[in-house]
Amino acid sequence: GAGVSQSPSNKVTEKGKDVELRCDPISGHTALYWYRQSLGQGLEFLIYFQGNSAPDKSGLPSDRFSAERTGGSVSTLTIQRTQQEDSAVYLCASSLGGRAYEQYFGPGTRLTVT
Amino acid sequence: AQTVTQSQPEMSVQEAETVTLSCTYDTSESDYYLFWYKQPPSRQMILVIRQEAYKQQNATENRFSVNFQKAAKSFSLKISDSQLGDAAMYFCAYRSPIPVSSGDKLTFGTGTRLAVRP
Repeated sequence: GAGVSQSPSNKVTEKGKDVELRCDPISGHTALYWYRQSLGQGLEFLIYFQGNSAPDKSGLPSDRFSAERTGGSVSTLTIQRTQQEDSAVYLCASSLGGRAYEQYFGPGTRLTVT
Repeated sequence: AQTVTQSQPEMSVQEAETVTLSCTYDTSESDYYLFWYKQPPSRQMILVIRQEAYKQQNATENRFSVNFQKAAKSFSLKISDSQLGDAAMYFCAYRSPIPVSSGDKLTFGTGTRLAVRP
């Protein structure tokens, strides 16, 4: 079946502009995660959605970052007033939820803020 | 908070040879999961192998195996009979048990870039 998809694949934006990154999880997966991968760094957790529960936003670096998940499926990560330090690859993952289940990753969106 | 350390930014191996990638972690929890992920240039993270901390037996998946030393908090990955397709970034990751105090997330190391020489 189809894997996790993300769009756009690449995004170049000017400093101060808002951007939206989209994630389509695997059908039936109740858990969805966003991670950020800065150059030369590992992946940094941003936010986690599980079913209808309140999301875990503990990894969001500032109030310029927000995310929503509509209908328990598609998720959008929004970055307002982008800064150059926001340049990174943003990866989305989904899983069936629970400790036994693997997280399946999408190909990511490379964001460049000029 | 848990931390994951990969002290080898880059490694190189001759095709068909064996290479070991190192990973150490810090946690106060007794039950958890450890993972190795592969990230090729396509950027998509691929699960290579997983280990449950309560299992003493080291996990094995074909040419990939781990050396899990719980007391030392060490989790190394051994790749046998290396192939050109193994060239990638490799990330070690930690996952807390559920119910969790830190949410259901993966904590990653900074990665090791593996080159395979033909």
